[in-house]
Amino acid sequence: DGGITQSPKYLFRKEGQNVTLSCEQNLNHDAMYWYRQDPGQGLRLIYYSQIVNDFQKGDIAEGYSVSREKKESFPLTVTSAQKNPTAFYLCASSIDSSVPPDTQYFGPGTRLTVL
Amino acid sequence: AQSVAQPEDQVNVAEGNPLTVKCTYSVSGNPYLFWYVQYPNRGLQFLLKYITGDNLVKGSYGFEAEFNKSQTSFHLKKPSALVSDSALYFCAVRPSRGDYKLSFGAGTTVTVRA
Repeated sequence: DGGITQSPKYLFRKEGQNVTLSCEQNLNHDAMYWYRQDPGQGLRLIYYSQIVNDFQKGDIAEGYSVSREKKESFPLTVTSAQKNPTAFYLCASSIDSSVPPDTQYFGPGTRLTVL
Repeated sequence: AQSVAQPEDQVNVAEGNPLTVKCTYSVSGNPYLFWYVQYPNRGLQFLLKYITGDNLVKGSYGFEAEFNKSQTSFHLKKPSALVSDSALYFCAVRPSRGDYKLSFGAGTTVTVRA
């Protein structure tokens, strides 16, 4: 898991609530990513950020939002618009996404459960 | 669009026997290929990657992978499996040019029995 931390480890949300997942890295990486993991489906990209104050939607961005105000932080908000948010969420970072082959390193994950 | 297929949901082997986890890919141009391992309720750990050059790539924990361009495959191997190798393994691909996003396979669960 290296220098990437995610909190909390477990999170419970009531329907209609927004929740924010934290991701912090001390690796001095420029790029950061959020993935969602569901059983049997591998990882799907939600949002990514190549540099501070910039981010782009991934393949399943609907119902999620992010910010990148600091290089080391990339929080993910799961909004009430996300209809099926129960999943394992993984944050990753890499040195520079524009310079291949850019290896991504992952945090320990946050398991979100909707009650 | 790029994609990865891991044809086996589960692989079961006895400790000490060779372990192979299969991966085939589809990508425009030359690929960059990665293997990651995930233990229960943990993040993914990087094992190895193929960029160019030697088709046999050596990685962490005694794992290696063989790149086969004609078969578009990148199978993960370990000569002698350990019980502690039991985990979920993911193959991922991205093109060497253009879209830098990683595409992951669905994963293969490896169980090594004592």
